[in-house]
Amino acid sequence: DIQMIQSPSSLSASIGDRLTLTCRASQSIRTHLNWYQQKPGKAPILLISDASNLQSGVPSRFSGSGSGTDFTLTIGSLQPEDFATYFCQQRYSTPRTFGQGTKVEIK
Amino acid sequence: QIQLVQSGAEVKKPGASVKVSCQASGYPFTNYGISWVRQAPGQGLEWMGWISPTMITNDAQKFQGRVTMTTDTSTSTAYMDLRSLTSDDTAVYYCARDDRNWGRFDLWGHGTLVTVSS
Repeated sequence: DIQMIQSPSSLSASIGDRLTLTCRASQSIRTHLNWYQQKPGKAPILLISDASNLQSGVPSRFSGSGSGTDFTLTIGSLQPEDFATYFCQQRYSTPRTFGQGTKVEIK
Repeated sequence: QIQLVQSGAEVKKPGASVKVSCQASGYPFTNYGISWVRQAPGQGLEWMGWISPTMITNDAQKFQGRVTMTTDTSTSTAYMDLRSLTSDDTAVYYCARDDRNWGRFDLWGHGTLVTVSS
């Protein structure tokens, strides 16, 4: 199984901050990497597919990049509704596997 | 409205089985598969498997022999049956739309909490 490691596991940030979250795969997954946002008690929401494709309706302050084993999710200017946990997920092979998440909290 | 509506919370004893349903609406059910993903309390996400509308399946090896996924196209509903439950199976179970087993979960159900307790 492909292991997905996210860093940091949590961070504190302020409104307006620019954030970069990272995700590393245990082997190359080309660009087959998705990012999800999850708020407490809610289902995840797909933000970005295939490393950099912003989903319809997702604000443009979110962006993704990377290929191979190293990926980033950037939030350009943190908004109050962005405080949540973010998961990466590889779709290169089955079983699909997720990172353990990065929790973004208010400073 | 495009949505996946799941069945309600369940409490089961160890050794029992649970069947969770996931009814799709607002899109053609026969054009998309469904993946099942679970999340233990305070933990990350774990993919269990995928099923096509025609009941082709791809189960995670961890659950093989213990999980059965089915669909009913007449009601646009997918089902996940998990047997021989232990306390480690206590989790929220989600269904998610997954076109052709591409592993891109673009629509999620609200989740079904399954609690396994004696």
